[in-house]
Amino acid sequence: ILNVEQSPQSLHVQEGDSTNFTCSFPSSNFYALHWYRWETAKSPEALFVMTLNGDEKKKGRISATLNTKEGYSYLYIKGSQPEDSATYLCALRSGSARQLTFGSGTQLTVLP
Amino acid sequence: DAGVTQSPTHLIKTRGQQVTLRCSPKSGHDTVSWYQQALGQGPQFIFQYYEEEERQRGNFPDRFSGHQFPNYSSELNVNALLLGDSALYLCASSFTGGGTEAFFGQGTRLTVV
Repeated sequence: ILNVEQSPQSLHVQEGDSTNFTCSFPSSNFYALHWYRWETAKSPEALFVMTLNGDEKKKGRISATLNTKEGYSYLYIKGSQPEDSATYLCALRSGSARQLTFGSGTQLTVLP
Repeated sequence: DAGVTQSPTHLIKTRGQQVTLRCSPKSGHDTVSWYQQALGQGPQFIFQYYEEEERQRGNFPDRFSGHQFPNYSSELNVNALLLGDSALYLCASSFTGGGTEAFFGQGTRLTVV
């Protein structure tokens, strides 16, 4: 059973602060690491799919890095806005498995 | 272009009953996966359907079964409902020949009383 861990479980930041959170995963048989943003009562929205060690991806104020050798990925949000408030999920696809193994998510609240 | 759609959005059932949840994949997608999200946890993989067959299955009992139709839509059936089956059920679609990205529906909230 794969163990994907996210930290912190939740955090509150002030509008304008930059923040980051972590996704840890087993490094063996790595295939891809996904980040999703999930607002309440909406569908999880795909942010990034990362496959190569050292990958860095950016989408507006959000960016992510990947280290497959040590088994972690960071998600960064620069200048947080209230609309960034959501749960951020990472999910691992490994080996020949076709399913995603999710972490429990980091719940971000950005206070105005 | 409609994304992944699921129905119904909410459902209340009694212990022992059976339930069917439905999913229409994003246009152009041929693969449907189902996930269960219990409170405070990340989504857990139930199974995946491709070419109308179950291609991979997670650690869920046989009470959970599914079906995929020729138009790629899918159903999730749960028999003999237990209180512990109360959860959000998510459907994700993808294109087998197009990389690894999966798109999710909004989910069906099932409450078993």
